[in-house]
Amino acid sequence: EDQVTQSPEALRLQEGESSSLNCSYTVSGLRGLFWYRQDPGKGPEFLFTLYSAGEEKEKERLKATLTKKESFLHITAPKPEDSATYLCAVQAGTGGFKTIFGAGTRLFVKA
Amino acid sequence: NAGVTQTPKFQVLKTGQSMTLQCAQDMNHEYMSWYRQDPGMGLRLIHYSVGAGITDQGEVPNGYNVSRSTTEDFPLRLLSAAPSQTSVYFCASSPEGTGANVLTFGAGSRLTVL
Repeated sequence: EDQVTQSPEALRLQEGESSSLNCSYTVSGLRGLFWYRQDPGKGPEFLFTLYSAGEEKEKERLKATLTKKESFLHITAPKPEDSATYLCAVQAGTGGFKTIFGAGTRLFVKA
Repeated sequence: NAGVTQTPKFQVLKTGQSMTLQCAQDMNHEYMSWYRQDPGMGLRLIHYSVGAGITDQGEVPNGYNVSRSTTEDFPLRLLSAAPSQTSVYFCASSPEGTGANVLTFGAGSRLTVL
């Protein structure tokens, strides 16, 4: 069964304090791994897609990496506006066209 | 482009009532889906569609019904609402049903069943 587990559930950082969020997955034939950001009261918004182990993508203070079993979202020198819930999701090569999400990591960045 | 539009934003129902959550997209996306989001459980797939006239079940389909008569619209019907269906519902679409495609989400519909 395809499964996505994110850790930690919540993370509190001081402004400028770098850290990483983890997403571990088990899937039958990875088609793609996604990171989304969700602000309170809104729908998730796309950040990155990673397709194969070793791939990395960056956007401003965020960098996503992928191995065969997990993905990391590295946040460098975070600012209060980075506070949000970060969702990891996978799309498998089997089982139709479903995208399976993890429960998310709530990030709080204090000024 | 409006993207993905969901209505209503908020709804309160009594147990046993039925209702339809509306979802429309103007991006000519083939793939559309419905998720529910509950605290601590993330987004769970209810139903999805890879094109007009084609629908399939996700992880938690019981108590919900869908149809896809046009490319633009994908309504979600609650047949007989139960308190366990209290949740935030998101509709999402992507360009096609193959490949690793990015989902575009609506703003959500918050449903409370008393």
